[in-house]
Amino acid sequence: GAVVSQHPSWVICKSGTSVKIECRSLDFQATTMFWYRQFPKQSLMLMATSNEGSKATYEQGVEKDKFLINHASLTLSTLTVTSAHPEDSSFYICSARSRDGPNQPQHFGDGTRLSIL
Amino acid sequence: DQQVKQNSPSLSVQEGRISILNCDYTNSMFDYFLWYKKYPAEGPTFLISISSIKDKNEDGRFTVFLNKSAKHLSLHIVPSQPGDSAVYFCAASVDGSGYALNFGKGTSLLVTP
Repeated sequence: GAVVSQHPSWVICKSGTSVKIECRSLDFQATTMFWYRQFPKQSLMLMATSNEGSKATYEQGVEKDKFLINHASLTLSTLTVTSAHPEDSSFYICSARSRDGPNQPQHFGDGTRLSIL
Repeated sequence: DQQVKQNSPSLSVQEGRISILNCDYTNSMFDYFLWYKKYPAEGPTFLISISSIKDKNEDGRFTVFLNKSAKHLSLHIVPSQPGDSAVYFCAASVDGSGYALNFGKGTSLLVTP
């Protein structure tokens, strides 16, 4: 089946640090990838849609300058949390669709747990 | 505004019995629905989906039912197994290329031996 790999799985860093999270589609090409954020016991909330070769589309309330997304190739999207603060601590998950067109499921990475001290 | 709602945060079922997880939605434009299973500290795993042109889709022990008039869908697991214990998320989308998913808050299923 379609495999999405996310790295790192866990990051602990000091406040003010920038953290980059990678999302790779291992056995398929993805023109579109999605970045979600999940707080404890809450739903996954879409942050942004990452489009290969063009700018990401951010959801309302998500700061573009805070969460930088780069989708430089058909198999890699990165999310950089810039100048991270404790309130950015969360579980970040990416996903991709293995096929274009309607009615195709998204496949998720295993997520990155980000803890800002 | 939560457009996909899972009103039961938890469910406990005995092994071998049927598990029924419910999901309601408010956006009548949704036309593709999915169920994901999630273990702690892992990403969601796709289980089964259904498009709005159908009212039932079956895959092994998992069956999803869609009632468009009631804006309701359900996931049936028969027979339930202890390994099914996880959090189940219902998701929906207005599908076209690149549209993202709206998730419910999840239902934690515990299957007891």
